[in-house]
Amino acid sequence: NAGVTQTPKFQVLKTGQSMTLQCAQDMNHEYMSWYRQDPGMGLRLIHYSVGAGITDQGEVPNGYNVSRSTTEDFPLRLLSAAPSQTSVYFCASSSTWRLTDTQYFGPGTRLTVL
Amino acid sequence: TQLLEQSPQFLSIQEGENLTVYCNSSSVFSSLQWYRQEPGEGPVLLVTVVTGGEVKKLKRLTFQFGDARKDSSLHITAAQPGDTGLYLCAGPADRGSTLGRLYFGRGTQLTVWP
Repeated sequence: NAGVTQTPKFQVLKTGQSMTLQCAQDMNHEYMSWYRQDPGMGLRLIHYSVGAGITDQGEVPNGYNVSRSTTEDFPLRLLSAAPSQTSVYFCASSSTWRLTDTQYFGPGTRLTVL
Repeated sequence: TQLLEQSPQFLSIQEGENLTVYCNSSSVFSSLQWYRQEPGEGPVLLVTVVTGGEVKKLKRLTFQFGDARKDSSLHITAAQPGDTGLYLCAGPADRGSTLGRLYFGRGTQLTVWP
């Protein structure tokens, strides 16, 4: 049982490049989400999904796209990277959409946009 | 505007001291969670509180949910260096267009010196 996995661990992009951050979970969880963590800002929700085929925006969705074609995978796409997107990105999953459930976080992807 | 305000932002203490960190909001939450995050890792759930006035204990950690369900506190007795980390509180949006969102505070960075 690997839990929540994220790839890559580190990434450097140039302004304007696009890329996809991968997130997968092997716990058959319904709910998956993406957060970004900046110094002094805690975790801010980017997008979330309550099940395959269903996604919704969080607090800071601009510049990011998601899709949920399978229960296991929830990739985050940066369409045209900007320096303001330099951050640490965390993917999380929980068994249901009820937010009293435990959120299991991946190890994070550290992204730098030059 | 931050929905969940945490204080203090930084706390540096000696091993053996007691401490309390706070999570406050002007909004009522149906539940609150506390997570701890260590450097280079994702947050890990410590506790979920769901009832106003509830007190939960986890070894030397005591968590309290305010009677009005707008605030929570985490008290650590006889802190140890292993308690060092970023403590985050989180609460769900329960209704309306933001249903399904989990909001995090900015965290309290605790350092316990030997």
